[in-house]
Formats: sequence, C-alpha cells, structure tokens
Amino acid sequence: KQEVTQIPAALSVPEGENLVLNCSFTDSAIYNLQWFRQDPGKGLTSLLLIQSSQREQTSGRLNASLDKSSGRSTLYIAASQPGDSATYLCAVRQSGRQAGTALIFGKGTTLSVSS
Amino acid sequence: GAGVSQSPSNKVTEKGKDVELRCDPISGHTALYWYRQSLGQGLEFLIYFQGNSAPDKSGLPSDRFSAERTGGSVSTLTIQRTQQEDSAVYLCASSLLTGSGNTIYFGEGSWLTVV
Repeated sequence: KQEVTQIPAALSVPEGENLVLNCSFTDSAIYNLQWFRQDPGKGLTSLLLIQSSQREQTSGRLNASLDKSSGRSTLYIAASQPGDSATYLCAVRQSGRQAGTALIFGKGTTLSVSS
Repeated sequence: GAGVSQSPSNKVTEKGKDVELRCDPISGHTALYWYRQSLGQGLEFLIYFQGNSAPDKSGLPSDRFSAERTGGSVSTLTIQRTQQEDSAVYLCASSLLTGSGNTIYFGEGSWLTVV
C-alpha cells in the first residue's frame, strides 16, 4: 500500500531564507507527483506536477525534484516571503491500478515565514 | 466554469440528518474526485468518477455515503444519518482526463459540522 510521508510537519523560517520541503513515498510505481499549497480555510492549489519520467520542474521561486527510484521528492522555495506561509502537500498518482487513479496525499508541511 | 465550484461552503447539521454536497467541476473535465479532510489529518480519497460512472468507490467509509454524477458534469455526495465523525472538509477535484499528465484542480471545499 502506497504511503506518502512529509517531513517536517511544521517549519518556521525568517523572510528571505531558502528552504526545502521533503516528501517520500514507499511505492515507486507512480505516474506523477504533484505539489499543492493549501491556505487556511481554503482548498488546494496545484503548484507543480512532475511526470515519472522527469527529474524536476520549476515555476518562479519554486523548484520540485523527483527521484523515483529512491521514492523521494523535494520542493525548494527560494527567497521565502510571508505570503508563502501555508500548508504544502505532496501527492503521488499511482500507476498500475485498474480503475482507481486517485492521488495519495501526505499530511503536509505547515510553513510559516516571518517578516 | 472558471474553477471547481462546491456548495454549500459551510453546513452545520444535526446528528442523524442527511446532507447533500454539490460539486460543479471545470467545464470539459471528465474525471471528478471526492476527498475528505478531517482536522489534523491528511486528505482521504472517497470516490472517483470517469464521466458518469464510478470505477473506484473504494474510499467511501460506509454505506451511509453515496455519490452520483449526472451528465458528465455535476456531482452530488450524499451522507445519510450523519454522525459527528463525519465532520470534515469535503473537497471535490476535477481533471481533464485520468492520464498521467493531467493536473488535478480542487474546489474550496464544503465544511461540514455535525452537532
């Protein structure tokens, strides 16, 4: 059974710091991995999607990497800002399933960036 | 529509009552998902639709939960005889197809409180 783990559960940094959020998964048979952001009381916003054949994706100050063989992904946030404060969720979409293609989520890392 | 729309955004109901939660996916999206997020927990997959059929309903927690989708568009999640443990945010998501390259887009959720 696929399990997704995110470490740390919470992280506090001062504004301007570069930081890395970690995601690990137990089954490497995945289609893709997606990073989401969730603000308090809100739904999820997709940040980056990495296909299983890709190594990384970049969007602005965000860079996500994927090492499928080791079951790891990282989300790198450069020059963090208070507006980056949110919960960041990692999710994998498994391959090889007959019908269900649901995303399996980690529990998230709650980031707080202080000004 | 421009995004995934869910209603009601908030619902308080008495234990034992039935509730219906509605999801209007992004126009043209054939895949639709329901997830549940309880306080302090990760996202829990409930059910997935491809068109009007539900090939994966493995996540529905009990027979009090059901969902349907009509016209390949709007979906309704029904919870019968609600219990306090049903209190959670119910998130709906949609994607263009179930292929590996498709980003999943989430609505803002329906916040259910059973008292």
